[in-house]
Amino acid sequence: GAVVSQHPSRVICKSGTSVKIECRSLDFQATTMFWYRQFPKQSLMLMATSNEGSKATYEQGVEKDKFLINHASLTLSTLTVTSAHPEDSSFYICSASTYEAFFGQGTRLTVV
Amino acid sequence: AQKVTQAQTEISVVEKEDVTLDCVYETRDTTYYLFWYKQPPSGELVFLIRRNSFDEQNEISGRYSWNFQKSTSSFNFTITASQVVDSAVYFCALRRVSGGYNKLIFGAGTRLAVHP
Repeated sequence: GAVVSQHPSRVICKSGTSVKIECRSLDFQATTMFWYRQFPKQSLMLMATSNEGSKATYEQGVEKDKFLINHASLTLSTLTVTSAHPEDSSFYICSASTYEAFFGQGTRLTVV
Repeated sequence: AQKVTQAQTEISVVEKEDVTLDCVYETRDTTYYLFWYKQPPSGELVFLIRRNSFDEQNEISGRYSWNFQKSTSSFNFTITASQVVDSAVYFCALRRVSGGYNKLIFGAGTRLAVHP
């Protein structure tokens, strides 16, 4: 079946630095990918919709300058958390859709 | 507005018990998809089932079964003869068909603990 690969699976960074997370669709082309954020013991909240070749669409309350999304090809979307702070620590997960929504393995970000 | 409600925050059962996870949804769309995902402690989301709003047939897959009742806007999930490996968080989700987007609206999740 379709596979979505997300890297890294875990990252620890210092406060003030930027972190890039990659999401790749391995065996299908994804014109649209989605980025979700999940706090401990909570549900997945959609952050933004990544559109190949155009600007991402952010959900209300999500800072576009803080969470930069680039979808430069049909198989790759990246999420960059800029100037990360401890409150950005979370589990980030991407997905790409055909009929089902296939999810990456997730990235656990810890900002210290 | 679209919304998915999973009223059961946590469920604890003993192995071999049957357990039903409830899911109630709200949508004004006539066509939509419903999903169930499993999230084990590793964090990745495992796809379990997709159901089209026009297909109200119940489905069984091994120990898993799903009961879709459009009249009550419910899409409940039953695990028969639960096993310890079933311990995970289970999410119900709703997706619009129209509008050009395939984004999912997730419920809050139900944490299932199956004890030996």
